[in-house]
Amino acid sequence: NAGVTQTPKFRVLKTGQSMTLLCAQDMNHEYMYWYRQDPGMGLRLIHYSVGEGTTAKGEVPDGYNVSRLKKQNFLLGLESAAPSQTSVYFCASRGGGNYPQETQYFGPGTRLLVL
Amino acid sequence: GENVEQHPSTLSVQEGDSAVIKCTYSDSASNYFPWYKQELGKRPQLIIDIRSNVGEKKDQRIAVTLNKTAKHFSLHITETQPEDSAVYFCAASIGGSNYKLTFGKGTLLTVNP
Repeated sequence: NAGVTQTPKFRVLKTGQSMTLLCAQDMNHEYMYWYRQDPGMGLRLIHYSVGEGTTAKGEVPDGYNVSRLKKQNFLLGLESAAPSQTSVYFCASRGGGNYPQETQYFGPGTRLLVL
Repeated sequence: GENVEQHPSTLSVQEGDSAVIKCTYSDSASNYFPWYKQELGKRPQLIIDIRSNVGEKKDQRIAVTLNKTAKHFSLHITETQPEDSAVYFCAASIGGSNYKLTFGKGTLLTVNP
């Protein structure tokens, strides 16, 4: 049981390049999330999904797109990377229903540097 | 939307002392309040959580208290140890739903041996 995994671990992009971050979970969780973490800013929600085939915008969605074609995978895309998207990206997932399924489990993170 | 304020941003204590981190939230409909610990270079991990129908919860050296009237909740760590050094984040569920969280900006706790 690997939990939540993310690929890649680290990536350097040039401004204008595109890339996709992959999140995978093997806990059969309904909900999945993408956050970005910047120094002094905490964790901010980019997009989330409440089930296979659904996505919704979070707090800071601009410049990102997501897809959830399979229940276990949640992809985050950057179509045209900008230096402001330099950050650490965390994926998280949780089960459906109420307590104690509310716990969000985080992946190990992807460090992205945009030059 | 929900706003979560967390204080202090940094906290330094001596080993064996207690540490308290406080958070306030704005949405009275919030009903779930988790605390996460993040060690340097690692992922955030849940250490304790509380629901709005409970005023206090303890787990060994860690406790969380909730004051719904004042809309604030606190993390208490007793008998601190060097391995407690990390960044701690509070969070509150957004509105009546419990599947979205708003996080505080974090507290860097340093426990000096």
